[in-house]
Amino acid sequence: GENVEQHPSTLSVQEGDSAVIKCTYSDSASNYFPWYKQELGKGSQLIIDIRSNVGEKKDQRIAVTLNKTAKHFSLHITETQPEDSAVYFCAAHFRRALTFGSGTRLQVQP
Amino acid sequence: DAGITQSPRYKITETGRQVTLMCHQTWSHSYMFWYRQDLGHGLRLIYYSAAADITDKGEVPDGYVVSRSKTENFPLTLESATRSQTSVYFCASRLQGSGYEQYFGPGTRLTVT
Repeated sequence: GENVEQHPSTLSVQEGDSAVIKCTYSDSASNYFPWYKQELGKGSQLIIDIRSNVGEKKDQRIAVTLNKTAKHFSLHITETQPEDSAVYFCAAHFRRALTFGSGTRLQVQP
Repeated sequence: DAGITQSPRYKITETGRQVTLMCHQTWSHSYMFWYRQDLGHGLRLIYYSAAADITDKGEVPDGYVVSRSKTENFPLTLESATRSQTSVYFCASRLQGSGYEQYFGPGTRLTVT
């Protein structure tokens, strides 16, 4: 099956700085890579996703890059704000289901 | 606009008891999923269902039973709860087809004493 590794497990940045979270996956057949944000006491919400035929995707302050050869993808958040503080999960879609990374707790210091 | 709901939101039960967690979605999504979330493990797939009466095991199915008699409901049953099943449980759903986005419920925090 698929295996997804995510780093770092915790990340603390100053407001306005950039944050980068990295994930690697094991199965080259995986074709869809979403990123979810989980705030305390809530379910996860999709913030951005990328398909295997695309190398980069941006949505305002958030971007995701995918390197299929190396089997890794990254989340980039620029100009971080306190409301970006949350746990972020990467995932890879393989066959019918998503396999998730172990999560990154991002703390943005005001 | 209810979306996807889970009940109960919090549950405390004793070892050996049977407990059922409910999941209901109003979008008529074909696929539904159950995950558990534990510190250091992220979200791990327990079971999923591609349609009514079709279910399949995920990564950690042992000790759990699911059913899907109606498209909108996907209950998860712990037949004889163990302390290792203390966790936060999330239900999710998605459309059939090439759109893989999953929509998550708010979660159920289960404590087994």
